Amino acid sequence: EAGVVQSPRYKIIEKKQPVAFWCNPISGHNTLYWYRQNLGQGPELLIRYENEEAVDDSQLPKDRFSAERLKGVDSTLKIQPAELGDSAVYLCASSPRVGTGANVLTFGAGSRLTVL
Amino acid sequence: TQLLEQSPQFLSIQEGENLTVYCNSSSVFSSLQWYRQEPGEGPVLLVTVVTGGEVKKLKRLTFQFGDARKDSSLHITAAQPGDTGLYLCAGGGDIIQGAQKLVFGQGTRLTINP
Repeated sequence: EAGVVQSPRYKIIEKKQPVAFWCNPISGHNTLYWYRQNLGQGPELLIRYENEEAVDDSQLPKDRFSAERLKGVDSTLKIQPAELGDSAVYLCASSPRVGTGANVLTFGAGSRLTVL
Repeated sequence: TQLLEQSPQFLSIQEGENLTVYCNSSSVFSSLQWYRQEPGEGPVLLVTVVTGGEVKKLKRLTFQFGDARKDSSLHITAAQPGDTGLYLCAGGGDIIQGAQKLVFGQGTRLTINP
């Protein structure tokens, strides 16, 4: 079974440019998360989806960040315009439907963003 | 805001030694998870503990959830170079309900030298 797939793995852009990251979760996982991980730190939640609904986006900087999960499967995270402080690894994770027991998150390998 | 603090942040020891990593909070969590992350990869779940005082063993790794469910520890016996990585603890909501936001600690970077 394929895991959580993210692309691109690496992206280098100039500040003020836009950037987008794509995530394909594990088949059948209805919950999808976007986390940001700064160098040497733990992941911080940006947004959580239940199917196509964003149920927790309290930590998403909405002035420049946006996300969507059309049809409740793939998801895209966009930054426009990017700032130097946005340099980080953007991790996508998915988990099974609520009620199946363990809160098990499976992470993708991440997209490393460098803003120059 | 729930916060998790891990200690130490960095640990470098020789192969064969034992070590303990701590994860502490002033908040109560219904579940506590430990992940390991290798360079260029996402975190991988090692264990979930849900009951105060619970102890789980995974080969040479022993995980314990504090009685008050505010802290946890990870003990590694006879560390091996393959144990090298970033260890992250994460506190979550009601595990029975499933998908909840996890609060991560800042991580402990462990290096085992041959």
